[in-house]
Amino acid sequence: GQQLNQSPQSMFIQEGEDVSMNCTSSSIFNTWLWYKQDPGEGPVLLIALYKAGELTSNGRLTAQFGITRKDSFLNISASIPSDVGIYFCAGLISMHTGKLIFGQGTTLQVKP
Amino acid sequence: DGGITQSPKYLFRKEGQNVTLSCEQNLNHDAMYWYRQDPGQGLRLIYYSQIVNDFQKGDIAEGYSVSREKKESFPLTVTSAQKNPTAFYLCASSIQGAGANVLTFGAGSRLTVL
Repeated sequence: GQQLNQSPQSMFIQEGEDVSMNCTSSSIFNTWLWYKQDPGEGPVLLIALYKAGELTSNGRLTAQFGITRKDSFLNISASIPSDVGIYFCAGLISMHTGKLIFGQGTTLQVKP
Repeated sequence: DGGITQSPKYLFRKEGQNVTLSCEQNLNHDAMYWYRQDPGQGLRLIYYSQIVNDFQKGDIAEGYSVSREKKESFPLTVTSAQKNPTAFYLCASSIQGAGANVLTFGAGSRLTVL
């Protein structure tokens, strides 16, 4: 079946550093989403990407929809302690059903 | 405030017991979803429903059941047939059609089997 490979699995960085994570797939997706999950809570949408090559920013976050439509990247600039959490990528399987497939997640820890 | 409410937040169950997790939304969304989350894994789809009185199996439906009698509610029953039920369960909803991919999640329910 379809799979998303998200890397790295975890990151431990110093406050102020930039962070990069990515998702790759053998399948083509028409929509890529990035979510953040705080401990013990549900994921919250960060950025949605709808077009190959699209680069979208949300504050210190920037995400790109790969031109092959098989990958996506998320960058966080100048990390702060509240960036701690699990970041998930998701690809849209079906526009009709809204079904998503999720990556395994990247756990981010930030040292003040 | 519009949103999705899941209850209970924490639930303990003895082996062989069925338990039902509640999910209520006041977003007027047509579609609702149940996901299971295990440590180090992505979210896996259990069941989803696009309209009242209709639902479809996701990737890991075995041992689970759902109902959709009202637009606002999509309860999930974890049956005794589910061999490894300890997990974090997330309910989500979305509009239909354009924007259907943008899921809004509840805060989750953590089920532990003793």
